[in-house]
Amino acid sequence: SAVISQKPSRDICQRGTSLTIQCQVDSQVTMMFWYRQQPGQSLTLIATANQGSEATYESGFVIDKFPISRPNLTFSTLTVSNMSPEDSSIYLCSVEPMLITNYGYTFGSGTRLTVV
Amino acid sequence: AQTVTQSQPEMSVQEAETVTLSCTYDTSESDYYLFWYKQPPSRQMILVIRQEAYKQQNATENRFSVNFQKAAKSFSLKISDSQLGDAAMYFCAYRSPNFGNEKLTFGTGTRLTIIP
Repeated sequence: SAVISQKPSRDICQRGTSLTIQCQVDSQVTMMFWYRQQPGQSLTLIATANQGSEATYESGFVIDKFPISRPNLTFSTLTVSNMSPEDSSIYLCSVEPMLITNYGYTFGSGTRLTVV
Repeated sequence: AQTVTQSQPEMSVQEAETVTLSCTYDTSESDYYLFWYKQPPSRQMILVIRQEAYKQQNATENRFSVNFQKAAKSFSLKISDSQLGDAAMYFCAYRSPNFGNEKLTFGTGTRLTIIP
């Protein structure tokens, strides 16, 4: 299964600023997924990123707040814009396995964001 | 839309004993994929076990096994011979078979404590 390198692992940011999170995959993948995990909560999908097309956002998430880049089949970024303390969460990227019948989804190690 | 329910926010088990974590889901689809993920304090999402709905045989992975009841839409995880390293949050997840809907939908999680 794929291996994902996610950066940064954590950051403390001032409100009103933006943070860009990067995920690099060691193999080409069609879809990448970005999740938010608020403190003590489950994972909520922010958007699905396909290479060569605009990301598809879930209800409650908008492109202006969470712009996503997917320039090629191995890389994606998520930006958290104009941050407020409510954006303090863990953000994770994930990729679908090449063969769903053989593997599960792989996740990055997560970015712990604290907004002060 | 599919929903996943984990009714046990917290569970505890004595080391070396067996524990079962519950998961139910709601779907109108007949073929789908189910997963259990483990998230230790490191926050890395680790695949524990997976099940294809078209397979009647319950999946097993070493000390981990599932009881998949398709008619009841139930997918419980049994951990045998519990070890201290099993302490973590456990999330049940659902994946549709449909093209364009490859995202994972997660339950709210169960925090498992292992008592030495």
